[in-house]
Amino acid sequence: DARVTQTPRDKVTEMGQEVTMRCQPILGHNTVFWYRQTMMQGLELLAYFRNRAPLDDSGMPKDRFSAEMPDATLATLKIQPSEPRDSAVYFCASALGQGPYEQYFGPGTRLTVT
Amino acid sequence: GQQVMQIPQYQHVQEGEDFTTYCNSSTTLSNIQWYKQRPGGHPVFLIQLVKSGEVKKQKRLTFQFGEAKKNSSLHITATQTTDVGTYFCAGWMDSSYKLIFGSGTRLLVRP
Repeated sequence: DARVTQTPRDKVTEMGQEVTMRCQPILGHNTVFWYRQTMMQGLELLAYFRNRAPLDDSGMPKDRFSAEMPDATLATLKIQPSEPRDSAVYFCASALGQGPYEQYFGPGTRLTVT
Repeated sequence: GQQVMQIPQYQHVQEGEDFTTYCNSSTTLSNIQWYKQRPGGHPVFLIQLVKSGEVKKQKRLTFQFGEAKKNSSLHITATQTTDVGTYFCAGWMDSSYKLIFGSGTRLLVRP
């Protein structure tokens, strides 16, 4: 069955290093979301795209985070340089259409920055 | 800013007991969704409510959307160990055109 895939599933890196997380949305879904989940902050929306265009990245720290969709089958989230406070689980989700349709989440990337 | 509050934060019940989690928004929602996240897993969509006062059921789960479309609840009858996880509500706000997730209620079930 169709699923959102994310790579890597786990990433441990040292402070200052660049981290790139990748997401493959469900084929045909035109809206892609990036979320960050921590115990303290819960599930936060970082950015989302529709038809590959960024619509909202207000939840993303601009100085170190960047999100792109090079094509319809790939979304990337980069952190450069990474900091220990970036340690979290990063989820990608996709949806079909615009508006409040159900979101399909990927398995997440668990990032640990030491 | 726009917020969706969820209570309680945790609930620990004996298997067979009922469970309810409540969701409240500071602004009117055009609709509300509920998701379940198993420990170590990812959020999975359960249901969406759109109409004022709407009630939907899925087996032992009952979802309600308030008349003013500012609050919602999820009730589980006779919990089972398979119900363990965190339940999130997520409200859609036309003004911001995005889904705002509540903080979640973590359900633990004692067998």
